[in-house]
Amino acid sequence: QSVLTQPPSVSAAPGQKVTISCSGSSSNIGNDYVSWYQQLPGTAPKLLIFESNKRPSGIPDRFSGSKSGTSATLDITGLQTGDEADYYCGTWDSSLSVYVFGAGTKVTVL
Amino acid sequence: QVQLVQSGAEVKKPGASVKVSCKASGYSFTTYGIHWVRQAPGQRLEWMGWINAGNNNIKYSQKFQGRVTYTGDISASTVYMELSSLRAEDTAVYFCARWTSDWYFDCWGQGTLVTVSS
Repeated sequence: QSVLTQPPSVSAAPGQKVTISCSGSSSNIGNDYVSWYQQLPGTAPKLLIFESNKRPSGIPDRFSGSKSGTSATLDITGLQTGDEADYYCGTWDSSLSVYVFGAGTKVTVL
Repeated sequence: QVQLVQSGAEVKKPGASVKVSCKASGYSFTTYGIHWVRQAPGQRLEWMGWINAGNNNIKYSQKFQGRVTYTGDISASTVYMELSSLRAEDTAVYFCARWTSDWYFDCWGQGTLVTVSS
């Protein structure tokens, strides 16, 4: 059972928007920034969002992140077939002294 | 550009050890820590710990304490992860990832598949 809870899957048609939630606790999300990683099939994870709402250079503004209290959200707008991937949230847990990841959310473009 | 290149796939028998390397390039190797993360087939990412070869600061996830060892070779800009007493449940892709001072992973290695099978 993951410390961070994500929905197993979300889906939408091309051009639409999906929202992925990541729910934690006061010892992780409530205490630190959240990062989001995109993992395309058969590849390594890639940084998508850092410090809860910042994008690295090269990441399109269709991807946006936010955090409120002990939950974080990743929004993907203008969905494209190339966005089909697993998305993981991650942050440091101060109680467990480990970096924790959510179980991942599979995005499907219908 | 910043790059992490890992060693190739390994097949090991239960009880054996495996050593995976992660060679860094494109940045000052001693400035950043390298973390290890594994992913069993169809499973989530699992954090294993980190090493900063520059100051020899090492932290192991309690789950792997006693079975995993991280070492670094500054001259080769390379860190190593050795996992011992392998069991079938250790079959996974092992990733190294660069850790920034703002506490996120900004670059990942391509992954090394370790298969444990008799």
